[in-house]
Formats: sequence, structure tokens, C-alpha cells
Amino acid sequence: QKEVEQNSGPLSVPEGAIASLNCTYSDRGSQSFFWYRQYSGKSPELIMSIYSNGDKEDGRFTAQLNKASQYVSLLIRDSQPSDSATYLCAVRGYGGSQGNLIFGKGTKLSVKP
Amino acid sequence: GAGVSQSPSNKVTEKGKDVELRCDPISGHTALYWYRQSLGQGLEFLIYFQGNSAPDKSGLPSDRFSAERTGGSVSTLTIQRTQQEDSAVYLCASSLDPTASSPLHFGNGTRLTVT
Repeated sequence: QKEVEQNSGPLSVPEGAIASLNCTYSDRGSQSFFWYRQYSGKSPELIMSIYSNGDKEDGRFTAQLNKASQYVSLLIRDSQPSDSATYLCAVRGYGGSQGNLIFGKGTKLSVKP
Repeated sequence: GAGVSQSPSNKVTEKGKDVELRCDPISGHTALYWYRQSLGQGLEFLIYFQGNSAPDKSGLPSDRFSAERTGGSVSTLTIQRTQQEDSAVYLCASSLDPTASSPLHFGNGTRLTVT
């Protein structure tokens, strides 16, 4: 059973701080990794994707991937109240399950003004 | 349209009735996915279509659930003899192709309430 694990939170950070969101996955053959943001009552929207070990930066967001340790993280710099949402980690498999995206249950982030 | 379109946005039905949920993917996207999300829970994979290949039905929770995709575009998820535990938001997503680097784009979902 392929699994994606996230701390459910809530993670509370003050405005302007760095928020760090973590995710581990069980399938060592996983090929691609995505972070989605989901506001309450809304559908998930793509924030970042990462496919190779290391860091990938996009504005205030940095995704980090370590395939040896099977974890992926998302850093949000200069956190804003508008970043308050649930962040979903998603992992795409390899081979027969390549098309399917497995989601974690999400980490709820609260940014306090 | 520019995004994934789902209808209806809300559906209230009585226990035991059948329901059909519709998804119109982004034009040109070959892969289509159905997930459901119960209140406060994560996304549960239901079924995945890719082109003309046999769908991956491994996530369907029971034989009351079925889905089809006609002409490689629009998809319909059917739930027969609905139960209260079927109440959830049903999300459809599409991707350009099923390769590793192709992200999913979600519709706004159908909120199903079974009374």
C-alpha cells in the first residue's frame, strides 16, 4: 500500500516567519512530487512540483526533495495571512501506477497577523 | 472553457437513489481522475482514465460506483443506491498526459449529500 504521510497540524506561524511543511512517502520508486494548496471549501491548486533531489525555488516557495530519505518539504518564506490553508503533498508512482497521484491528508497552516 | 468543469456543483439525494456526476476536462488533456474528499479528510483516489487504455479502477470503494469516459473527453461518475457514507465532495482532475511531470488540474468539485 503506497502511502504519503503529513503532519495534520495545525501549524501556526506568525506573519513574516518561515513555515516548514514536511511529507514522507513509502514508495521508493516514486518519480514526481507536488505540493497543492487548498483553501477551505475550495479545490486544490498546484503550488510547486519537484522531480530531482535538491531545492527548487519559486518566489516565496521552496520545495526540497531527498529521495534517499523519502521525504519532500515545502518552505514558505515571509508567510502571509493569505497563506493560511491546508497544504497537500502528492506523489506520483512508477510503472503501473505511474498515472495515479497519491495524496497525503494535508497539513493545515495558520499564519497569524 | 479554460479549466476543468464539474456539474452539478451541489447534489442532495435520498438514500437509495442513483446519482450521476459529470466532469469535462481541460481540452487536450488525455488523463482524467476522480477523487473524493470527505469532510476534514484527504483526497481518496477513485478511478483514473488515460486515453483509450483500460481505466485504473483500483480506488472504487464498492461495486455501486462506476465511471465511464466517452470519446476520450467527458466523464461520468455514477453512484448507485447511494448511502449516507457516500456524502463527500467529488473532485475531478485532468492532466496533459500521465507522465511523471504532468500535474493535475482540479475542477471545483461536486458536493454530494445523501439524506
